[in-house]
Amino acid sequence: EIVLTQSPGTLSLSPGERATLSCRASQSVSSSYLAWYQQKPGQAPRLLIYGASSRATGIPDRFSGSGSGTDFTLTISRLEPEDFAVYYCQQYGSSRSLTFGGGTKVEIK
Amino acid sequence: QVTLKESGPVLVKPTETLTLTCTVSGFSLSNARMGVSWIRQPPGKALEWLAHIFSNDEKSYSTSLKSRLTISKDTSKSQVVLTMTNMDPVDTATYYCARIRGAVADYWGQGTLVTVSS
Repeated sequence: EIVLTQSPGTLSLSPGERATLSCRASQSVSSSYLAWYQQKPGQAPRLLIYGASSRATGIPDRFSGSGSGTDFTLTISRLEPEDFAVYYCQQYGSSRSLTFGGGTKVEIK
Repeated sequence: QVTLKESGPVLVKPTETLTLTCTVSGFSLSNARMGVSWIRQPPGKALEWLAHIFSNDEKSYSTSLKSRLTISKDTSKSQVVLTMTNMDPVDTATYYCARIRGAVADYWGQGTLVTVSS
């Protein structure tokens, strides 16, 4: 079973700064099956990125995803106040299961 | 407009069986490219995938919880049901259902908080 490890656990940044979030898989993951979600307090997660690098409908272009194999990155080019949240990566496995990472909290510095 | 809504008890006792219903609209549970998963989140913790049901009624379960879970669907009612047996306080969580399209959860319900306590 693939394990996804996200780092850092918490990222303290100011609005306007660049955020770089990492998701590392315990074994190679198909890029087609790697996604990122944003979750704000009291809300359900929202799909941001699918296929490692494709933005979901309505997602601003300041969000971008990259990576392959075991290392994937979510980048927020310039943090807006509404971007402070928890971010999760997710992969879809060969056993037709989903696995989520432990999350990265992006907080206001 | 795609929506999913979870319903079920807010409080269950230890050892009891939890039954949750996800009612969907805006898509059909028979659509070949779509399925529904249940995902939970203990307070302050990460998301945990539980189970998935495909359009052809095939199912998949979390390895660690497989013995306790059953997922089913009623396409005519647009409902997906999850049962979890032998509930324990560590199962206290917000339970979400989500539409799975391809390999991602593109729509989520609002979630329902289930507390396990005597």
